[in-house]
Amino acid sequence: NAGVTQTPKFRVLKTGQSMTLLCAQDMNHEYMYWYRQDPGMGLRLIHYSVGEGTTAKGEVPDGYNVSRLKKQNFLLGLESAAPSQTSVYFCASSFPGQLPRLHEQYFGPGTRLTVT
Amino acid sequence: QKEVEQDPGPLSVPEGAIVSLNCTYSNSAFQYFMWYRQYSRKGPELLMYTYSSGNKEDGRFTAQVDKSSKYISLFIRDSQPSDSATYLCAIKAAGNKLTFGGGTRVLVKP
Repeated sequence: NAGVTQTPKFRVLKTGQSMTLLCAQDMNHEYMYWYRQDPGMGLRLIHYSVGEGTTAKGEVPDGYNVSRLKKQNFLLGLESAAPSQTSVYFCASSFPGQLPRLHEQYFGPGTRLTVT
Repeated sequence: QKEVEQDPGPLSVPEGAIVSLNCTYSNSAFQYFMWYRQYSRKGPELLMYTYSSGNKEDGRFTAQVDKSSKYISLFIRDSQPSDSATYLCAIKAAGNKLTFGGGTRVLVKP
């Protein structure tokens, strides 16, 4: 049971390039999330999905797109990377269970992205 | 103003001391309160959760919630070097989205 995995672990992009980050979970969780973490800013939600084929915007969605074609995978795309998108990106998943562990989120190890 | 405020630290304590961490929040709709621990270059992991005012203990950790003051705390007793990490409070209303504080970096010195 690998939990939540993210690919790649590190990436350097030039401004204007595109890339896709892959998140995979093997816990059969319904909900998946993409966050970015910047110093002093905590984790900010980019996009999330409540099930296969559905996605929704989070707090900071601009410049990103997502897709959830399979229940176990959640992809985050950057169409035209900008230096402001330099960050650490975390994927998480959760199962809409019962109290008290309602919506406990399990996180992946992160992807460090630098845009020059 | 951020919905959840947390002192970034760093907070440096000697081994065996009590670590005291706290967050304040502004949204009265928040109902569920969690603390995540994040080691360097790792993803956050859930440490404690509660959904009511009062104290909750789990081993060396105590989570405290005061809804009337919109204030939550985490205490770590008998701190160990392995407790050195960033601690993030996370709060949510009904629904599935969490709002995180900025995190407090803790360093426990042997």
